Order: sequence, then structure tokens, then C-alpha cells
Amino acid sequence: EDKVVQSPLSLVVHEGDTVTLNCSYEVTNFRSLLWYKQEKKAPTFLFMLTSSGIEKKSGRLSSILDKKELFSILNITATQTGDSAVYLCAVGSYNNNDMRFGAGTRLTVKP
Amino acid sequence: ETGVTQSPTHLIKTRGQQVTLRCSSQSGHNTVSWYQQALGQGPQFIFQYYREEENGRGNFPPRFSGLQFPNYSSELNVNALELDDSALYLCASSLAGVTDTQYFGPGTRLTVL
Repeated sequence: EDKVVQSPLSLVVHEGDTVTLNCSYEVTNFRSLLWYKQEKKAPTFLFMLTSSGIEKKSGRLSSILDKKELFSILNITATQTGDSAVYLCAVGSYNNNDMRFGAGTRLTVKP
Repeated sequence: ETGVTQSPTHLIKTRGQQVTLRCSSQSGHNTVSWYQQALGQGPQFIFQYYREEENGRGNFPPRFSGLQFPNYSSELNVNALELDDSALYLCASSLAGVTDTQYFGPGTRLTVL
């Protein structure tokens, strides 16, 4: 059965710290891996990754995919209190139309 | 360009009742997916609608059903509500063939007592 596992489940850091969030997956016929940020309700899109080894960056956030080892990481540098949220990883397969989500990592950034 | 909207925002029902949740997709999007997110969990795929037909279904019982209308808006119906149905229900819209790029609505928080 396809599965997506995120770690850690929760993380508390102070402003200015750098964090690394992990997402490992077992999905047949992999199509893509997406990262979302969920603050209150609606998850908002961060990155979509389809190719190994190509880093995607947006400001202080970056992400990379390793299709051989079946994982992705999301890095956040110089964290701010506004980065406090649940970060979700989702994986898509060519076998079906759904996106399989991990349980998320709850990040708390303290002033 | 309007985003994805959902109604109602919150809902309280009792066991055994039926509920209908509504979703309006983002302008130009013809595909709608529904997800259930229990507290502390990631969203779980319920089903997807494309051109008014179900286009994929997750591991949910038949008492979870849906509709998509010609304007691409959608409804999620849940019959015979159970306590475990308490969750945030998210709808996401996308263009067919680009379903990875989904835009989520704010969700409906359903509480079953």
C-alpha cells in the first residue's frame, strides 16, 4: 500500500534557526511530490518536485527530491514566527488521481 | 480570478443525520477533489469529480457521495453520520491533467455529536 511518512511530527525552534523537514514515501509509479503549508485551514502550495536532485527555492524555503532513496526534504532558513504552521507532504502516482498526504510536521517558531 | 470557496464554514450534526457540503471551484478549473482531514492527520482523499462524473475514489464507504454541476461546483454528501466523521473537509480544484497543482478551499469543520 502506498504511504507517506513525515518526520519529525512536531518541532519547536527559535527565530533565526534553520530547520529541515523530512518526507519519505512508498508509492508505485511515482508522479510528483508536493509540499504545502497549512496555517489555519486551507493548505497553500509551496513546491512541486518531479525530478531528483534539482533544488527548488523560494526565498528562505528550499526543497529537493531523491527518487532513488524515496525521500524529500524541506529546508527553512532564518525562521520567523510567521513560519509557524503544519507542513504537509503529498505524493501523486500515475496509477490514480489522488494525492496521498503525510500526517504533517507541526513547526512552532518562538520569538 | 476567484479562489475556491466552501460552505458552510462550520457545522454541527448528530449521529445518524445527513449533511451536504458545498464547494465552488476556482475560475477556469474543471476538476474538484474532496479530502477529509481528521485532527492531527493529513488530508485523506475521498473522491474526485471531472466533467460531472466521479473520476477516482479513496477508501471511503458509499455513504460518502458527491455531485459536480455544469458550472464545476461540487457537493459532498454524507449519510448516516458517525462520530468519526468529525473532521475538516477540504475541497480542491484543478485543471484536468494538471491535478498535482490543486488549489484548496478553506474547508468546512464538521462536528458530529
